[in-house]
Amino acid sequence: SQKIEQNSEALNIQEGKTATLTCNYTNYSPAYLQWYRQDPGRGPVFLLLIRENEKEKRKERLKVTFDTTLKQSLFHITASQPADSATYLCAPEGRGTGFQKLVFGTGTRLLVSP
Amino acid sequence: TAGITQAPTSQILAAGRSMTLRCTQDMRHNAMYWYRQDLGLGLRLIHYSNTAGTTGKGEVPDGYSVSRANTDDFPLTLASAVPSQTSVYFCASSRLAPNVLDTGELFFGEGSRLTVL
Repeated sequence: SQKIEQNSEALNIQEGKTATLTCNYTNYSPAYLQWYRQDPGRGPVFLLLIRENEKEKRKERLKVTFDTTLKQSLFHITASQPADSATYLCAPEGRGTGFQKLVFGTGTRLLVSP
Repeated sequence: TAGITQAPTSQILAAGRSMTLRCTQDMRHNAMYWYRQDLGLGLRLIHYSNTAGTTGKGEVPDGYSVSRANTDDFPLTLASAVPSQTSVYFCASSRLAPNVLDTGELFFGEGSRLTVL
């Protein structure tokens, strides 16, 4: 069955450093993958979408890579700020499940210290 | 623009009682979804709707029902609540339906926290 893995342990980094979050998936090949940000007590908010034919996508301080050979997506936040502290969810397209086009990982919590 | 509005924000419910969680969107999106989020399990799809008048089952549909009488509203009903339905429920919408290649981004509401005792 499809499996999406994100590091369940929180990632603690210093302000100004680059945060790198990992999303691994197994047993299938999604056509695209989305990343969301979720703040405590709030709903997820869309950040970026990357397709299988795109190796890298950027948006301001955010960069996402998509390695279909490794079955992995990396999410980078450069020049991190305390305001970047949140939980980040990856959501590969759930190909093969028919109706369920997005399958969410459990998320990785990022803590950026001043 | 409000986007997705969910109600109630939180609710405590006795086991065996029924409850309807309300969801309204003002973006004229075709598709709507209900997810539940539990610690360690992430977001799991309960039910979805490609368009008004159609609904489908997600990953964890048992104990829940939905209806889509119009484009804007997508209520989720628990007919007889059980403690395992204690969770945070998120309604979401997307411009495109999941029966096309790419739904585009999902827009989420702020969630309804339900506790079943």
